[in-house]
Amino acid sequence: SAVISQKPSRDICQRGTSLTIQCQVDSQVTMMFWYRQQPGQSLTLIATANQGSEATYESGFVIDKFPISRPNLTFSTLTVSNMSPEDSSIYLCSVGTARTYEQYFGPGTRLTVT
Amino acid sequence: KQEVTQIPAALSVPEGENLVLNCSFTDSAIYNLQWFRQDPGKGLTSLLLIQSSQREQTSGRLNASLDKSSGRSTLYIAASQPGDSATYLCAVEGGGKLIFGQGTELSVKP
Repeated sequence: SAVISQKPSRDICQRGTSLTIQCQVDSQVTMMFWYRQQPGQSLTLIATANQGSEATYESGFVIDKFPISRPNLTFSTLTVSNMSPEDSSIYLCSVGTARTYEQYFGPGTRLTVT
Repeated sequence: KQEVTQIPAALSVPEGENLVLNCSFTDSAIYNLQWFRQDPGKGLTSLLLIQSSQREQTSGRLNASLDKSSGRSTLYIAASQPGDSATYLCAVEGGGKLIFGQGTELSVKP
């Protein structure tokens, strides 16, 4: 399995600002994903982070609100832009192997927007 | 559209009891099914992965089964312990994406 770290682990931000979350993996991985978990809810996929090309977004999520970068096979960032209180959630990155498609998750970033 | 349902939403049992968590999905065209554990405010820990060609997987006190044709999976926990208290999530994978259920919140009382 892969070891995944995220920064920051938590943050409290003001409405209208942006926050960039980093995800670092200890080995090269084919697939990286970003999920959102709203309070009391399950996980929803935001996008697949593609190395060297634009991320693939799920319905209801757009690049202007959640820009994603993936400069190499071990690192990705998710930015939450122009935040509102509705963006208060845990944001998790995950990685998957092309062989088994098993996914492993980072510890998450708990975001509170005031 | 794939939908994943977990029953029950919450479960409280005394220590030592064996228990079963249920997961159902609407589209049987899945590649695999994965069970996770989530502690409050934390990330997810992968417990078991069942490939679509498999019927079950075991890890220690955990056993997960998969019946693709009926769209069901169960997670069996033997001899439950207070440390098993957490939310258990199942997720089905199809087309490279995981679709999650709402989870079962398990509380094991000493």
